[in-house]
Amino acid sequence: NAGVTQTPKFQVLKTGQSMTLQCAQDMNHEYMSWYRQDPGMGLRLIHYSVGAGITDQGEVPNGYNVSRSTTEDFPLRLLSAAPSQTSVYFCASSYSDSPYEQYFGPGTRLTVT
Amino acid sequence: QKEVEQDPGPLSVPEGAIVSLNCTYSNSAFQYFMWYRQYSRKGPELLMYTYSSGNKEDGRFTAQVDKSSKYISLFIRDSQPSDSATYLCATLGGATNKLIFGTGTLLAVQP
Repeated sequence: NAGVTQTPKFQVLKTGQSMTLQCAQDMNHEYMSWYRQDPGMGLRLIHYSVGAGITDQGEVPNGYNVSRSTTEDFPLRLLSAAPSQTSVYFCASSYSDSPYEQYFGPGTRLTVT
Repeated sequence: QKEVEQDPGPLSVPEGAIVSLNCTYSNSAFQYFMWYRQYSRKGPELLMYTYSSGNKEDGRFTAQVDKSSKYISLFIRDSQPSDSATYLCATLGGATNKLIFGTGTLLAVQP
């Protein structure tokens, strides 16, 4: 099993550009989520999904869109990048009956200039 | 007030020391309490979880929850340089099942 994979590992964007961060898991997990990690702020939930076709907002959803067309994939779209979105982004997944055991991907380091 | 508070450290200890990492939380409805470990430039990984109050032991690691004081602790015995990482406490946010994380404590175990 590859677990949770994320691409790209690193990305530099200019203000106003858009991009999609990819996330895939091969564990047949129902629950998937996106976090951002900033110094002194810990991990903050951006969006999450409890299954294909179902998404909801987390703590910091502004500026981001998600969709979940398959169980495996959960892409995160930055609509118009801003310097405040410079962060490390983590995707995570779990079974719906054990949400305390989330499996994290390796992260994407995004810099917006 | 944040729902989960954690001292960010950093904490530096000599090899073999007993390490105590702590968090507090605000909502008495929380039932699941987790500790995640994150090595530098890696994603977090679940170390241990407990349900409700009490202790749970796994090798050199012991997780403790005191619901009366809303206090979560992780103890590491005989600490090793390989334990050097950021330790994040977390809880499940009630009916939403969303993880709520502390800010993490950076631990360095010196050989």
